[in-house]
Amino acid sequence: QQQVKQSPQSLIVQKGGIPIINCAYENTAFDYFPWYQQFPGKGPALLIAIRPDVSEKKEGRFTISFNKSAKQFSLHIMDSQPGDSATYFCGGGATNKLIFGTGTLLAVQP
Amino acid sequence: NAGVTQTPKFQVLKTGQSMTLQCAQDMNHNSMYWYRQDPGMGLRLIYYSASEGTTDKGEVPNGYNVSRLNKREFSLRLESAAPSQTSVYFCASSEAGNTEAFFGQGTRLTVV
Repeated sequence: QQQVKQSPQSLIVQKGGIPIINCAYENTAFDYFPWYQQFPGKGPALLIAIRPDVSEKKEGRFTISFNKSAKQFSLHIMDSQPGDSATYFCGGGATNKLIFGTGTLLAVQP
Repeated sequence: NAGVTQTPKFQVLKTGQSMTLQCAQDMNHNSMYWYRQDPGMGLRLIYYSASEGTTDKGEVPNGYNVSRLNKREFSLRLESAAPSQTSVYFCASSEAGNTEAFFGQGTRLTVV
């Protein structure tokens, strides 16, 4: 049973475009929703995270939108750059554990 | 500042062989995790340890065992490796499940 469902599986945008990646969760015990970025051959690293008491969080060009009633959240990347090309994972965390979605491979074309 | 260190980085096993993947963190974190990463499947949680002395099954625990040796170290053991266990394995640690997790560089395991 996939506790965190992520879409799309892959995404291609032009430089300057705004890719959007969506996630839905089932476990209402989750109180931490991170997005991780992974480059080839590297371990994932935290990009941005949100708690369910806010509906939006922005850090630089990256924004999380959170809809608690729908149990959905999304990542928006403003003015995307070729250097943003990577795999992105959403997650759901509770006190004891952290679960991830299936990942989105993003390619930003120059 | 090493963070999370995994050994080995690469390993090839024959079907039926056993091995232990080692993980150590130097951030004094309570929680540690083992994930496997497969194409199209994302990061799937194998086992986790919320604190020293405790371990729990994650999403895909079959075929694996773990040991939380102390607060720093969390090992993953494959008793009888199978080709289906060919994957990239990541260890991670965090203060708790709902705080930032730090990942190691991964172990690429091939079972032939």
